[in-house]
Amino acid sequence: QTVVTQEPAFSVSPGGTVTLTCALSSGSVSSSDYPSWYQQTPGQAPRTLIYNTKSRSSGVPDRFSGSILGNKAALTITGAQADDESDYYCVLYMGSGIWVFGGGTKVTVL
Amino acid sequence: QVQLVESGGGVVQPGRSLRLSCAASGFTFSDYGMFWVRQAPGKGLEWVAVIWFDGSNQYYADSVKGRFTISRDNSKNTLYLQMNSLRTEDTATYYCAREFWSGPYGMDVWGQGTTVTVSS
Repeated sequence: QTVVTQEPAFSVSPGGTVTLTCALSSGSVSSSDYPSWYQQTPGQAPRTLIYNTKSRSSGVPDRFSGSILGNKAALTITGAQADDESDYYCVLYMGSGIWVFGGGTKVTVL
Repeated sequence: QVQLVESGGGVVQPGRSLRLSCAASGFTFSDYGMFWVRQAPGKGLEWVAVIWFDGSNQYYADSVKGRFTISRDNSKNTLYLQMNSLRTEDTATYYCAREFWSGPYGMDVWGQGTTVTVSS
């Protein structure tokens, strides 16, 4: 069974930079896994941030960026703001119509 | 504007059935694949199912395969999730989401969710 792993939590200072990662139990993440990233605050629906590895969804500020770092997908927040404090999820496409979410990373800005 | 509105959630006993609906508006529904994604209380997101734009193919997470059925009525701009043999572990908020039109790029637009509680 494929497992997608994210860091459970990260803390970042206002104005700072943080990089979240998304790893695959069965090997490396590549652009062919079409990683995408979602932001969710408590009680709210997810919001799409990044798709197809590094494309920003409509209206997403450019302080959010996606990439492949080594063998993982990555989401970098540059110049973190207080309202970036959220849970962040990645999802990978496994092929054959199957998608797998990571467990999510809780980001605290303080 | 693009909008997805889920309905049909509620409290149901284990072993019973429930059907969720997702009404789409503001876009050409029949052009897009659609997802169901769920989130158990205090837990992360879990992909449940996806259906192609024309309904010709459906795929399911192992946790729901054989019990849940995703379907759509493009004439009514509505997505469905038929949930049978419900278990307590199916308790979650269920979100419908539109797939990106241009490829297998994940979830583009999300509804606000509907809550399903499976309890005796």
